[in-house]
Amino acid sequence: DSGVTQTPKHLITATGQRVTLRCSPRSGDLSVYWYQQSLDQGLQFLIQYYNGEERAKGNILERFSAQQFPDLHSELNLSSLELGDSALYFCASSHARERAVNTEAFFGQGTRLTVV
Amino acid sequence: GQNIDQPTEMTATEGAIVQINCTYQTSGFNGLFWYQQHAGEAPTFLSYNVLDGLEEKGRFSSFLSRSKGYSYLLLKELQMKDSASYLCAVAGDQGGKLIFGQGTELSVKP
Repeated sequence: DSGVTQTPKHLITATGQRVTLRCSPRSGDLSVYWYQQSLDQGLQFLIQYYNGEERAKGNILERFSAQQFPDLHSELNLSSLELGDSALYFCASSHARERAVNTEAFFGQGTRLTVV
Repeated sequence: GQNIDQPTEMTATEGAIVQINCTYQTSGFNGLFWYQQHAGEAPTFLSYNVLDGLEEKGRFSSFLSRSKGYSYLLLKELQMKDSASYLCAVAGDQGGKLIFGQGTELSVKP
């Protein structure tokens, strides 16, 4: 158990819908990262939050948004869903500071999203 | 741009040694990570290199050459449970963000 909790584990929804994925980081970790993993692609970095503020952005679509709340949990919102959004969505957390030495990221078990 | 290359798949025999290579080109460098991922599960941390040289951790070792943009993961005394995808990831120039390679699918056969 990595200490990172993601809910729900599985989600099936229709095209055009909106879903929210939730992540609780390890106790004490201020950084939260979201990754997307499709069948034909590796782990793609989406976005990072540090202590409530957005710190880095990857290949995140405009239909997707995220936030980190004062209690440090994070949510990833996916809207106007398309078939191609079907993937495993991982959240990870770490002690990593803003521009300091990097530390390992601990991954949650992921949310498997299926868009039908 | 950012590019991380590793072989798509490898096969090895139980009890043997296997080396998984990774080459990278990134805009910044704050260390290289290796993760193991079984199908449908979360990646789990194996090793971290930020200085040149070899880091050993039980049956797993990882090597880094920053001048060559090259790393490898060495797995010794292979076991069937080592069959998994091995992900090479580089921490670039923004704190903590990891850029992952496509992963190397390792099959360990009896």
